[in-house]
Amino acid sequence: QKEVEQNSGPLSVPEGAIASLNCTYSDRGSQSFFWYRQYSGKSPELIMFIYSNGDKEDGRFTAQLNKASQYVSLLIRDSQPSDSATYLCAVNHNAGNNRKLIWGLGTSLAVNP
Amino acid sequence: SQTIHQWPATLVQPVGSPLSLECTVEGTSNPNLYWYRQAAGRGLQLLFYSVGIGQISSEVPQNLSASRPQDRQFILSSKKLLLSDSGFYLCAWKLAGGPLNIQYFGAGTRLSVL
Repeated sequence: QKEVEQNSGPLSVPEGAIASLNCTYSDRGSQSFFWYRQYSGKSPELIMFIYSNGDKEDGRFTAQLNKASQYVSLLIRDSQPSDSATYLCAVNHNAGNNRKLIWGLGTSLAVNP
Repeated sequence: SQTIHQWPATLVQPVGSPLSLECTVEGTSNPNLYWYRQAAGRGLQLLFYSVGIGQISSEVPQNLSASRPQDRQFILSSKKLLLSDSGFYLCAWKLAGGPLNIQYFGAGTRLSVL
């Protein structure tokens, strides 16, 4: 059973701080990893994807991947109240079928002004 | 650019009634299409996906069905709704043949079965 696990939170950080969101996965064959943001009552929107070990930066967001330890994380620098949302981690397993993602349950983030 | 349309946004249906949700994608050809359900406090559950017209793969056996009558149209149906069918239904698309499984979501339909 392929699994993706995230702490449900809520993770509460003050405005301007760094928020760190973590995700672990069980399938060592996983090759690409995605972070989606979902505001309450809205649909998920893609923030970042990563497929190589190391860090990938995009503005205030940094995705980090460690395949040996089977975890992927998302750092949000200078957190803003508008970052308050649920962050979903999704993992793709590319063994002959790249059409399905395995989803975590999400981590709720609250950024306090 | 590509856009995805999903309707209706909100739906309240009695138990035992039929269901039809529609999703269309613009700006791309032969996309992979997906139906997900997100129940309150739960994760995204993949219901169906399609890689082409008339090609449907079912992930979870239940009283729902899906059809893809046209290249960029994906329909989710039920003949008789159950209380447990309540949830947030999301349609998503992926670029066909793309190396990464990047999925883009529609706005969703919030279904309440009473």
